[in-house]
Amino acid sequence: TQLLEQSPQFLSIQEGENLTVYCNSSSVFSSLQWYRQEPGEGPVLLVTVVTGGEVKKLKRLTFQFGDARKDSSLHITAAQPGDTGLYLCAEDNYGQNFVFGPGTRLSVLP
Amino acid sequence: DAGITQSPRHKVTETGTPVTLRCHQTENHRYMYWYRQDPGHGLRLIHYSYGVKDTDKGEVSDGYSVSRSKTEDFLLTLESATSSQTSVYFCAISGRLDTQYFGPGTRLTVL
Repeated sequence: TQLLEQSPQFLSIQEGENLTVYCNSSSVFSSLQWYRQEPGEGPVLLVTVVTGGEVKKLKRLTFQFGDARKDSSLHITAAQPGDTGLYLCAEDNYGQNFVFGPGTRLSVLP
Repeated sequence: DAGITQSPRHKVTETGTPVTLRCHQTENHRYMYWYRQDPGHGLRLIHYSYGVKDTDKGEVSDGYSVSRSKTEDFLLTLESATSSQTSVYFCAISGRLDTQYFGPGTRLTVL
């Protein structure tokens, strides 16, 4: 069974700061997804990364997939209060379903 | 937004009673999933379906059963609810195995 770890577990920063959160696996990803979940709602897909070394940008968010496809990072530039939420990574479990990490809970203070 | 709804959105029930949660999609996606989300555990897969009448167990399937008689509906049943099943339940759909869309969730409290 694949195991996903995310760090840090909690992060509280001031508006305007930069931050990076991490997702690591015990095995090679086939594909990795990043989600953001706001209180009282379901997770919303941000991005899917497939290729080792791949970098994707979504406005102020930069997603990177490690060369060995066992880790990924999400970097947020100039964080805003609207970025507050739970950030989850998930990987494809051998083409059958998905395995989620425990998440990083981000709080951006105005 | 993907067309996925869950009902009910909130439910309070007593230990030992049966409970059925419904997930409905309008996207004609092949795959459907039920997760539960608890503090400190993230999202854990209960059951999933890869087609009509085709289902399989996930990580935390004990005490739960599912049925999928139509492409658009995926039902999760707690045959005899226990307090440990108090949680927020999310349904998700997927047309391919690198993208999931989640419903709004059902908050279940078992007293």
